[in-house]
Amino acid sequence: KNQVEQSPQSLIILEGKNCTLQCNYTVSPFSNLRWYKQDTGRGPVSLTIMTFSENTKSNGRYTATLDADTKQSSLHITASQLSDSASYICVVITGANNLFFGTGTRLTVIP
Amino acid sequence: EAGVVQSPRYKIIEKKQPVAFWCNPISGHNTLYWYLQNLGQGPELLIRYENEEAVDDSQLPKDRFSAERLKGVDSTLKIQPAELGDSAVYLCASSLSSGKRVEYNEQFFGPGTRLTVL
Repeated sequence: KNQVEQSPQSLIILEGKNCTLQCNYTVSPFSNLRWYKQDTGRGPVSLTIMTFSENTKSNGRYTATLDADTKQSSLHITASQLSDSASYICVVITGANNLFFGTGTRLTVIP
Repeated sequence: EAGVVQSPRYKIIEKKQPVAFWCNPISGHNTLYWYLQNLGQGPELLIRYENEEAVDDSQLPKDRFSAERLKGVDSTLKIQPAELGDSAVYLCASSLSSGKRVEYNEQFFGPGTRLTVL
């Protein structure tokens, strides 16, 4: 069964600290994996996209990693800011353009 | 450049009433998606259009849900009659076929319509 699981479900960190969010998937056939940020009351916004051959990609303070062998991905946020408070959703896309969404990690950054 | 526009942003109706949501994708985007998102969950695809053709509607509950994209631009999603369990956020997204494989085309999401069925 195609599934995307994210952990933790929620996370609270102090401003300025780093954090790492996890994504495990069983989706097949794999084409690419994306991390989205979703602010409350808004639609998701793409942060990174990685194909099978890529194992790391950065977008400012966000760095995503991908291990296609173990079917795991992580999103690392460096020097967190209050504006990073949002839900982070991992999405795995198949070659047939079927998207499988994780349930997200709710991140809260406190001063 | 305007992003994906959805209206209304919020809708409250009583059960058994009809409701419609409207989406205007980013100009030039030929692929349009409707998603349903329950609280604390990831979006679930309802229907995907390539231009005016519905290419994937396998998850659309066709007994009460319908959608159209008559001219391959904006789209309407309708529920008739609405049930309590339909309360959710309905997201619209669009993407542009850029010559790359379709699964690499980035999706841009609208803000969603939050539906509450009483």
